[in-house]
Amino acid sequence: QKEVEQNSGPLSVPEGAIASLNCTYSDRGSQSFFWYRQYSGKSPELIMFIYSNGDKEDGRFTAQLNKASQYVSLLIRDSQPSDSATYLCAADSGGFQKLVFGTGTRLLVSP
Amino acid sequence: GAVVSQHPSRVICKSGTSVKIECRSLDFQATTMFWYRQFPKQSLMLMATSNEGSKATYEQGVEKDKFLINHASLTLSTLTVTSAHPEDSSFYICSGRRQGEVGQPQHFGDGTRLSIL
Repeated sequence: QKEVEQNSGPLSVPEGAIASLNCTYSDRGSQSFFWYRQYSGKSPELIMFIYSNGDKEDGRFTAQLNKASQYVSLLIRDSQPSDSATYLCAADSGGFQKLVFGTGTRLLVSP
Repeated sequence: GAVVSQHPSRVICKSGTSVKIECRSLDFQATTMFWYRQFPKQSLMLMATSNEGSKATYEQGVEKDKFLINHASLTLSTLTVTSAHPEDSSFYICSGRRQGEVGQPQHFGDGTRLSIL
């Protein structure tokens, strides 16, 4: 069973702080990893993806991938109340087109 | 960015009704689209992979005769929930992948909230 695991949270951070979201995956064949943001009652929105070990930065967001540890993370700098949402981590299904989603981490950014 | 349009956004209907949901890729061609279902406070569950011009591939436990998928063109996939019952009430979301896009992420439609009375 290919799995992606996330802490359900909620993760509470004050406005302006760094939010750190973590994810582990079980399938060593997975190549690409995705972070989606989902507001309550809405569909997921792609934030960023990563497929090489190391860091990838896009604005306030940094994705980190460690394939040896099968670990993916998302850092959100200067967190804003509008970042409050559920963040879904997803991994591709080892060469197949499907994505396996984690259950999501709920982030709460307080003003 | 890649835009996926889903229609309708909300459906309320009586038990036994069949409901059709459309998923369109507006600015790209999608040879493959995906259909998900999400129950409240749960994660996305893949129902099936829709392949243009061929039969859909259903995930284990998803009834193919109940959830009919048609992917007749490179920009349109439809999901028909046949003889819907209250337990089919859920948030149905489609996604598409744009060929050649780096990383090939899935881009999601806005979802269809289905309520069966």
